[in-house]
Amino acid sequence: QLQESGPGLVKPSETLSLTCTVSGAAISSRRAYWGWVRQPPGKALQWIASIYYYTNRVYYHPSLQSRVTMSLDTSNNQFSLKLNSVTAADTAVYYCVRPTSVTSGFWYFDLWGRGTPITVSS
Amino acid sequence: EIVLTQSPGTLSLSPGERATLSCRASQSVSSTYLAWYQQKPGQAPRLLIYDASTRATGIPDRFRGSGSGTDFTLTITRLEPEDFAVYYCQQYGASLSFGGGTKVQIK
Repeated sequence: QLQESGPGLVKPSETLSLTCTVSGAAISSRRAYWGWVRQPPGKALQWIASIYYYTNRVYYHPSLQSRVTMSLDTSNNQFSLKLNSVTAADTAVYYCVRPTSVTSGFWYFDLWGRGTPITVSS
Repeated sequence: EIVLTQSPGTLSLSPGERATLSCRASQSVSSTYLAWYQQKPGQAPRLLIYDASTRATGIPDRFRGSGSGTDFTLTITRLEPEDFAVYYCQQYGASLSFGGGTKVQIK
């Protein structure tokens, strides 16, 4: 299972920090990928980032890569996301996900957390 | 980036009817790398189909995915009350993108 935690409310221009706690599996599994997807209110899903434990390589959505950082915390079986310089456009429900990799190098998502709502507002 | 267009935007049907949802890609999706998800209000999306036609674990066989290239279809052969939801397609053949969703609502 995946469980997100976050601040709920972030001020514009600040940094959003999210954590996903993984239970029932080790994030250090050799073939494990982990990731984040978001959904603005009333809009479609948007992939944000994925990380591959074995190489620690991180993949970011091109439109967000200048503002986002994803990392693993194996000691706590968690992974995290930081998004800086947030604006109202970053208001969304943020989901942590478990990607399944295919030969294209990309993923579908077979496990989702319940999501944490984030509002960017002063 | 491959743009996925889902149609119709909303589908109004009765329980027991057949639902046909379309997902059209702006470019060919390699190796049928297309997935479908179901999302109910207030819930996370759930993976239904991957690789265009393979049902995920625990998904009933009334959900059927088909298609290749630029045209993909999700068919729900006989709608159950719990199937009324929003459905998204996602391609993962070249980068990654989601469609805008189709809402299946009770008529």
